[in-house]
Amino acid sequence: GAVVSQHPSWVICKSGTSVKIECRSLDFQATTMFWYRQFPKQSLMLMATSNEGSKATYEQGVEKDKFLINHASLTLSTLTVTSAHPEDSSFYICSATKTGGIGGYTFGSGTRLTVV
Amino acid sequence: AQSVTQPDIHITVSEGASLELRCNYSYGATPYLFWYVQSPGQGLQLLLKYFSGDTLVQGIKGFEAEFKRSQSSFNLRKPSVHWSDAAEYFCAAAANQAGTALIFGKGTTLSVSS
Repeated sequence: GAVVSQHPSWVICKSGTSVKIECRSLDFQATTMFWYRQFPKQSLMLMATSNEGSKATYEQGVEKDKFLINHASLTLSTLTVTSAHPEDSSFYICSATKTGGIGGYTFGSGTRLTVV
Repeated sequence: AQSVTQPDIHITVSEGASLELRCNYSYGATPYLFWYVQSPGQGLQLLLKYFSGDTLVQGIKGFEAEFKRSQSSFNLRKPSVHWSDAAEYFCAAAANQAGTALIFGKGTTLSVSS
């Protein structure tokens, strides 16, 4: 089956520093990957859609200069939270779809980010 | 705008009783529909999905969902709830085209009483 690996599972960083989260499709090629953010006791909110080799498309209200997304290969997308602040503390989850596939979404296990 | 609505924020069901979680969608055309479950601090687990065909979909853990086009609904059901079913349940939808993201409802918290 399709597997997406997301690392790290949890990270604590100091305010003002940057954190990188990786999302890898282990056994399939993913032209498109998605990044979500989930605050405690809330739903998953789509942050951005990334396509391999092109700039990510950000949802309204998401700061693209703060949440840098890179999708340099068909198996790896990264989300970098730059100059993190306590309000960026959240659960970040990535999802990937197979190249040419429709309707199949594989989720990573998520990253718990705490900014202190 | 495309949207998914879960009208019930929190539901409490007695163990052994039946369960129905509601989900409505608003899309131009019938989207792909999904139900996920999430335990506290955990990732998402896919319960079932509907693309086309038979409108009654069977999933894992004894769950099923019924697609009703006339009501734009995709309600999740389980005939007998177990205490371990207590979790957060999300309905999600995606347009029928490559590269589109899943849009999630706000979720329903299920509590199971003994």
